[in-house]
Amino acid sequence: EDQVTQSPEALRLQEGESSSLNCSYTVSGLRGLFWYRQDPGKGPEFLFTLYSAGEEKEKERLKATLTKKESFLHITAPKPEDSATYLCAVGMRFGAGTRLTVKP
Amino acid sequence: DAGVIQSPRHEVTEMGQEVTLRCKPISGHDYLFWYRQTMMRGLELLIYFNNNVPIDDSGMPEDRFSAKMPNASFSTLKIQPSEPRDSAVYFCASSRGLHNEQFFGPGTRLTVL
Repeated sequence: EDQVTQSPEALRLQEGESSSLNCSYTVSGLRGLFWYRQDPGKGPEFLFTLYSAGEEKEKERLKATLTKKESFLHITAPKPEDSATYLCAVGMRFGAGTRLTVKP
Repeated sequence: DAGVIQSPRHEVTEMGQEVTLRCKPISGHDYLFWYRQTMMRGLELLIYFNNNVPIDDSGMPEDRFSAKMPNASFSTLKIQPSEPRDSAVYFCASSRGLHNEQFFGPGTRLTVL
């Protein structure tokens, strides 16, 4: 059975303090690993899709990377507006998410 | 495009009542998904459709839950009878292709008293 595990559950950063979120997965035949952002009271919003090991995608302060067993979402010099829950998904199976708080 | 539209946004009902949640997917998307999100279990897939046909309903918790997609622009998720443990946020999402990004609606927050 496909498994998606995210860590940490929660992460508190100071504005400008870079860090990474982890998503480890076990799946028979990866057909895409997805990162979403979810703000309170809203639906998840698509960020990135990664399809093969070694692939990287960037958007503003976020960069997603993929290996054969895990993906990282790197956040460089975060701002308070980056505070949200970040969800990783393989197919239609979602991880529990990492709740990120960025303090000014 | 208006994005995925869900109604109602909030629903409060009493145990035993029938609840119907509605979804309008993005035009041109051929896949539609229903998810349920709770603090305990996170975001769980309930059922998905391809071109209005249900493909996998193995996530539907029990026979009290049913979903239909009568046409490409509309889907419903029905719970009858509802129970307090059904309280959650229900999301509808659509995509163009099964292995592409999904676009989520704003969700329906259901409270069953």
